[in-house]
Order: sequence, then structure tokens, then C-alpha cells
Amino acid sequence: AQSVTQLGSHVSVSEGALVLLRCNYSSSVPPYLFWYVQYPNQGLQLLLKYTSAATLVKGINGFEAEFKKSETSFHLTKPSAHMSDAAEYFCAVRIGGATNKLIFGTGTLLAVQP
Amino acid sequence: DARVTQTPRHKVTEMGQEVTMRCQPILGHNTVFWYRQTMMQGLELLAYFRNRAPLDDSGMPKDRFSAEMPDATLATLKIQPSEPRDSAVYFCASGLVQRNEQFFGPGTRLTVL
Repeated sequence: AQSVTQLGSHVSVSEGALVLLRCNYSSSVPPYLFWYVQYPNQGLQLLLKYTSAATLVKGINGFEAEFKKSETSFHLTKPSAHMSDAAEYFCAVRIGGATNKLIFGTGTLLAVQP
Repeated sequence: DARVTQTPRHKVTEMGQEVTMRCQPILGHNTVFWYRQTMMQGLELLAYFRNRAPLDDSGMPKDRFSAEMPDATLATLKIQPSEPRDSAVYFCASGLVQRNEQFFGPGTRLTVL
């Protein structure tokens, strides 16, 4: 069965600092992995996705994530945090087979301090 | 700019009343999902449709919740009777199976008094 674990329900960084949000996955098949962002009072928005092509995936708003099979990880990074990055971030994995059904992590709330 | 739309955006009702939430998926998408989000439980999948057929509603309380897709442009989620524990934000998402993506609507914030 597929699952994702997000380490740290709350992360706080200073504006301009590196953002690192951790996600580890478990999958019995080659995984498709996703990061979504949720701004206050909005729905989830796709940041980026890994679908077995390049292991370093670039997304919107300067975010990127690297798929590391040996570590079963798909951590999200951004070199320099901006105040507008404050939001909740969800890692997700597609369940096996021909489907776009996803299993979501519990989310990480990112705070950006001025 | 194609988007998933949901109505109403906010709903306050009293315990025992019927609640109907509506979703218009993105035109051409062949899958629709209903989620519920609360502080305690996080994001829970309630129902999943593919080509308008319900494939998975195992996350939905069967006695009071029902989900349907009367046509390709409308998905509905009904709660009857509603209870205070149903208070949450309900999201609809749609996508194409072959694209491995889901696009979320803005949600319906439900408060049951």
C-alpha cells in the first residue's frame, strides 16, 4: 500500500532563508509523487509532480523537489523564503494502477518570519 | 482559465437539516473527488467518481451522506440529516486519469449548529 509521511507539522523560517519541507513515501510500485500548497481559505493547488522522469522536479513559485529512491524521500525546497510562501503544504502519492487517486500526508504549516 | 467551482462557499445550518453541496468539474475531466478537511482529521477522501460512476465511497458515512453525478458538469454531495460533527470544509477536485493530477475547487465551509 502507498503512504506518505510528512515530518514536522509546523516549520518556521526567516524571510530569505532556505525552505525545506520533508516527505517520505512508502510504495509497492514506482511512485508518482506530488506537492500541493494550500493558502488560507483556499483549495489545494498543485506545486509540482514527479512521474518517473527527471528526479529533480521544478515547480511554481521557485519550489523544487528531488526524488531519492534510496532514501524513499521527496523533500520540497526553496532557496529563499518569501512572506507569500506562508501556507500549508501537502505531500501526496498516487495509489497504484491507472488512476489519479491520491493519498495525502497530514500537511506542514510553513510560517515565514520577517 | 478552467477551474473547479463549488457552491455555496459558506453554509450555516441547524442540526437535522439537509445540506446539498454542488461542484462543477473542469470541462473534459473524467474523475471527480470529494474531500472533507478538519483540523482534527486533516484531509479525508469521501468519494471518487470516474466517468460519472462511483468507484469508491468507503470514506463516506453511508447512513447520512450521499454523492452523485447527475451529469458530467455537476457533482453533488448531500448530508441528511446534518450533525454538528459534520462541520468542516468540503472540497471537490477533478482531473484526468491519464494526467495523474487533481485540481481542487475553493471549498464549501459548512457549519452545523
